[in-house]
Formats: sequence, C-alpha cells, structure tokens
Amino acid sequence: KQEVTQIPAALSVPEGENLVLNCSFTDSAIYNLQWFRQDPGKGLTSLLLIQSSQREQTSGRLNASLDKSSGRSTLYIAASQPGDSATYLCAKSGGSYIPTFGRGTSLIVHP
Amino acid sequence: GAVVSQHPSRVICKSGTSVKIECRSLDFQATTMFWYRQFPKQSLMLMATSNEGSKATYEQGVEKDKFLINHASLTLSTLTVTSAHPEDSSFYICSARDVVAYQTSGSRYEQFFGPGTRLTVL
Repeated sequence: KQEVTQIPAALSVPEGENLVLNCSFTDSAIYNLQWFRQDPGKGLTSLLLIQSSQREQTSGRLNASLDKSSGRSTLYIAASQPGDSATYLCAKSGGSYIPTFGRGTSLIVHP
Repeated sequence: GAVVSQHPSRVICKSGTSVKIECRSLDFQATTMFWYRQFPKQSLMLMATSNEGSKATYEQGVEKDKFLINHASLTLSTLTVTSAHPEDSSFYICSARDVVAYQTSGSRYEQFFGPGTRLTVL
C-alpha cells in the first residue's frame, strides 16, 4: 500500500528562518505531487503541484522539488513569517490519479 | 483555478440522526468526486470515490450503508452519514477532479478540494 511520510511532524522556528519540509513516498509510480496548506479547522489551500515530468515548482517564497528516483519531495519556505504558521500536507498521486496524503508538518513561526 | 464548495460548513446533530453534506463543483463538470475524512492531527483518509451516474467505490473499512454517496449530476455529490454516532464526528472534505490539459499522451487531471464540513455528533 502506498505510504506518504512527512518529516518533521512539528516545527517551531523564529521569524526569518529558511525552512525545509520533507515528504517521502513508497511506490515509484507517480502522476503528480502536491503541497497544501491547512489552517486550523479549515480546508486545504493548494500551494504547489509538481507533475511527474517536472523537477520543481516555485511560487513566491515557496519552492517545491521532486526527486522520483529517491521518492522524495521537499518544500522550501524562504524567510518565514508568522503568517506561514499552519499545517503543511503533501499528497502524492499515482496511477489511479487519487492523492494519498501524509500526516502533515505542523509549523509555528514565532515573531 | 476551479472552485469546489461544500455545504454546510459546520453541523451539530444528535446521535441517531442522519446528516447530508453537499459537494459542488461551481465552474466545471466533475464526473469523479472524492470524499475524505480527517480526524484531529491526522491526515486525510480517502473514504470513497463518487462517480456520476454510478455507484460509489468505497475504500476498505468504510461502511457503505453508513456513508451513503450519491452523485446524481456532474456538479453535485452528496454524502449522507446515516444514524450518526459520536465516533462519526470528524472533518469531511470532498474533492472534484477536472481535466486541466489535453495532451497527445492523454488528459491531465487535477483535483480541487472543498473547504470541508465539521460534523459534531452529540
């Protein structure tokens, strides 16, 4: 069964730090990998989607990379801000096109 | 991007009652929608795949008689939690699949998620 693992489970950093969130997955068959943000009690906000043919995507201070050979994706957050505090989920879609989610990284950025 | 709505956003009900949650694709037609549930500090777990005009496909361990799914049109899927109990309290999220590009190698899909419904069963 496909599994998606996110490390670390929780992270607390001072404002301004550059962060790396990790996502690893079993099953090398990949259609796309997507990173989401979830605020407490809220739904999902899509941040970045990387197709299997791509290696990275960038949006503002966010950069996500995909290494299919090692089964890993990383989300890089530059110059973190308190407003970045949320849970970050990665989701990998395989041949069925249905995302499997990791458990998330809970991020707190304190002023 | 495509928009998916859910209604209601929050519902509180008594044990033993049934609750219906609606999922709508607002600006595209979705032949396939998905229902997830999320427990506190847990990941989203796929419950079922909802196909327009046919029966839903349930994941292992999900009771189809407990969680009734109807996908009667290309823009609406409903999830009914029947005879709800406190252990059914959870955050339910739907998603709808849209074709975002047509390529010679095949269509490219993307899923768009609703804002979720918080169900509390007393």
